[in-house]
Amino acid sequence: QVQLQESGPGLVKPSETLSLTCTVSGDSISRDYYYWGWIRQSPGKGLEWMGTVYKSGSPNYSPSLKSRVTISVDTSKNHFSLNLTSVIAADTAVYYCARFCSTNTCYEAFDIWGQGTMVTVSS
Amino acid sequence: SSELTQDPAVSVALGQTVRITCQGDSLRSYYVSWYQQRPGQAPVLVLHGYNKRPSGIPDRFSGSTSGNTGSLTITGAQAEDEADYYCHSRDSSGNRVFGGGTKLTVL
Repeated sequence: QVQLQESGPGLVKPSETLSLTCTVSGDSISRDYYYWGWIRQSPGKGLEWMGTVYKSGSPNYSPSLKSRVTISVDTSKNHFSLNLTSVIAADTAVYYCARFCSTNTCYEAFDIWGQGTMVTVSS
Repeated sequence: SSELTQDPAVSVALGQTVRITCQGDSLRSYYVSWYQQRPGQAPVLVLHGYNKRPSGIPDRFSGSTSGNTGSLTITGAQAEDEADYYCHSRDSSGNRVFGGGTKLTVL
């Protein structure tokens, strides 16, 4: 079955760049009509969409994060990545990667999620 | 603040029916999807489209949309349905957005 797995440092210093990778297994990241996204959840808070990217590399970002976030896809490695620059304590969160389907049977939904990875911003 | 508004908390007696709502003007134009998140776990898609359940989601979960309000209904709530529920769609600019979440307590 399709699985997504986040990986990356669990601790990042303030002002540095947070970098995470999501490895996809059981599916091709180059599949038509499927996008790949990042969602985060601060402790005790709700879900926040950060951005989504297609196989062609055309990303869409949350307006509130657009100046600091980059999401890229590597079809050769079947993974996609998140970079968040100039992090602050408020960026401490569980970061989830997820598959977003936009087919005529899926109707725009995040249908597969990774287990999430906790990232703490602290010196 | 989210452009999709959910009640922060809802409760239901075991075996009874509960409706969780999501309000936003964008729902007049875009699909809504619903996610269940149990404590310490990743969200799980439970409804999408006009009332489609992914494989493995019990049929006691159903959905509907009317005007600017999307609804998730659980008919015959079970103890394992106690969780946070989030709606998702687009905002007025077309960007993806989640509702603030509803904590469901099964009494």
